[in-house]
Amino acid sequence: GAGVSQSPSNKVTEKGKDVELRCDPISGHTALYWYRQRLGQGLEFLIYFQGNSAPDKSGLPSDRFSAERTGESVSTLTIQRTQQEDSAVYLCASSLGTGVRKETQYFGPGTRLLVL
Amino acid sequence: AQKITQTQPGMFVQEKEAVTLDCTYDTSDQSYGLFWYKQPSSGEMIFLIYQGSYDEQNATEGRYSLNFQKARKSANLVISASQLGDSAMYFCAMRIYNQGGKLIFGQGTELSVKP
Repeated sequence: GAGVSQSPSNKVTEKGKDVELRCDPISGHTALYWYRQRLGQGLEFLIYFQGNSAPDKSGLPSDRFSAERTGESVSTLTIQRTQQEDSAVYLCASSLGTGVRKETQYFGPGTRLLVL
Repeated sequence: AQKITQTQPGMFVQEKEAVTLDCTYDTSDQSYGLFWYKQPSSGEMIFLIYQGSYDEQNATEGRYSLNFQKARKSANLVISASQLGDSAMYFCAMRIYNQGGKLIFGQGTELSVKP
């Protein structure tokens, strides 16, 4: 597709349920990033992929959060046993790679997660 | 610790006037990049401008320019000739090159352009 796409656009879930958020990066982009944006806040880095491997998972807030990427394309962010503090917009971004300094990250529209 | 600070939660500017959005950063690394993104109410993140730590000239992209003062660790965004469509949240972000591609974001500044 032309840009980064994410699904679902909105997700409402009950506390304790698991959720999966999907990201489709721009075709040919080898780097993929997940960020979280709480209401009225800046973006917090969660994890990034170079190809299918994740060199930096330092932003994942707890072991309830995990992510994978397959085929150097689609990525899934999974949150297990959701808590109310997980409510946020989850943004995915992709870039051609991390080797170029001016490398621009292109963002998707985000998934708005609400945990009741 | 690596950090981006945006001290202006909200700013107002008259249409057609210029406005400066402040950004200071903290890092001990010498090799880094600074980015500005715009986030309209629709929620999308739009890349505006980039400045590398070794760039000698201030970056410019159309009506956007970056006032980079390395010794003061500031990277202020200047928007000239403001337009109503410039009303949005603006985020400053930093990338440390030896730490992969992750961006460290500030808390943002909400800009409102008055007609």
